Amino acid sequence: EMQLVESGGGLVKPGGSLRLSCAASGFTFSSAWMSWVRQAPGKGLEWVGRIRSKGDGGTTDYAAPVKGRFTISRDDSKNTVHLQMNSLKTDDTAVYYCTGSGGYSWNWGQGTLVTVSS
Amino acid sequence: EIVLTQSPDFQSVTPKEKVTITCRASQSIGSSLHWYQQRPDQSPKLLIKYASQSISGVPSRFSGSGSGTDFTLTINSLETEDVATYFCQQGSDLPYTFGQGTKLEIK
Repeated sequence: EMQLVESGGGLVKPGGSLRLSCAASGFTFSSAWMSWVRQAPGKGLEWVGRIRSKGDGGTTDYAAPVKGRFTISRDDSKNTVHLQMNSLKTDDTAVYYCTGSGGYSWNWGQGTLVTVSS
Repeated sequence: EIVLTQSPDFQSVTPKEKVTITCRASQSIGSSLHWYQQRPDQSPKLLIKYASQSISGVPSRFSGSGSGTDFTLTINSLETEDVATYFCQQGSDLPYTFGQGTKLEIK
């Protein structure tokens, strides 16, 4: 069974940093492009960014609101993808989902809540 | 950025009713339009990919159609377990964007 399990969420002050992790199983992780999607409380879905497989260059793309502050990386030896979030703002408060993706998200984790508040 | 506009925002429905949700893109996206279901307190789940392609394990009462800028998700004979919020998403151009969601409630 394909599974994605996020971790690392929590409460952080504005300007702070947090690193989210997503452990994958049940599929060939090294071939998969992976994305992060977030959902503010009671709101819709917002694409955050993605990382290609190493075979496809391993490069990343980001949404404008997080570009320069967030970094996605992957560790294929541990079937894990990370989201490093710096200079956090209150608007970054959301549930963050890890997804297996190309042009669409074919598998989603359960999400991890990030709260940015003083 | 491509804007996706769904209608309606909210619909009160009865079991066995046929439900239609539309998604309009601000520019042509071909068939790169995907649909998701998010039940209360759950993660989203892929329902339809590339406008009309079915997903393994998704009930056949869910179907999609459209191309270019206008798309439709149809639920034939709604069941109570279909109470959820439905989102469309375009995978044509970065940044990928989602519609605002359509929430279905049982009357």
